[in-house]
Amino acid sequence: GAVVSQHPSRVICKSGTSVKIECRSLDFQATTMFWYRQFPKQSLMLMATSNEGSKATYEQGVEKDKFLINHASLTLSTLTVTSAHPEDSSFYICSAREGGAVGPTDTQYFGPGTRLTVL
Amino acid sequence: DAKTTQPPSMDCAEGRAANLPCNHSTISGNEYVYWYRQIHSQGPQYIIHGLKNNETNEMASLIITEDRKSSTLILPHATLRDTAVYYCIVRDTGNQFYFGTGTSLTVIP
Repeated sequence: GAVVSQHPSRVICKSGTSVKIECRSLDFQATTMFWYRQFPKQSLMLMATSNEGSKATYEQGVEKDKFLINHASLTLSTLTVTSAHPEDSSFYICSAREGGAVGPTDTQYFGPGTRLTVL
Repeated sequence: DAKTTQPPSMDCAEGRAANLPCNHSTISGNEYVYWYRQIHSQGPQYIIHGLKNNETNEMASLIITEDRKSSTLILPHATLRDTAVYYCIVRDTGNQFYFGTGTSLTVIP
């Protein structure tokens, strides 16, 4: 159980275009999903917290108008990288937390990641 | 910001126990310690978590010191497939994970 999928797994786009990445919890409902970014040989960096039915909360330094997050259902969150540039090339990873209640033992389950390359 | 510090790298012989340390000296009383691992170009995989007591599951054991300022993840019989970056995370009060740099474990044949 507790499987999270991402689509696409890999995407190459031209500079200036927008790219949408989907994150789905396959066998559980996730009221909260998280988006991370990881550059080569670096750790994961939390970008934003996405709550179903409300606006996402962005970490300091992350442009909310560039990284649009929508969490319209309990099993789907999307990240849209708008007007992508080469410096946005990275490994984007989502995670989902099972359960509706906020509790200290809630575990995050991670998707397999999406490799974005902007030419 | 990450609340944990880990050694950047470790080696372990195949079949032997791998002991990965983590310091979290500023941990609060109700904050849990989580361990994940990331194999190259994949999403992090949940391993184990704990609060005060030692924990064991089919993957690993987690030993937390009495003062909770440090912990050790134990892989009892390391295999080549355990080669990965291991992250120790203290989940903050906002229920968010801030990853540190992790420990790159290499299991040697």
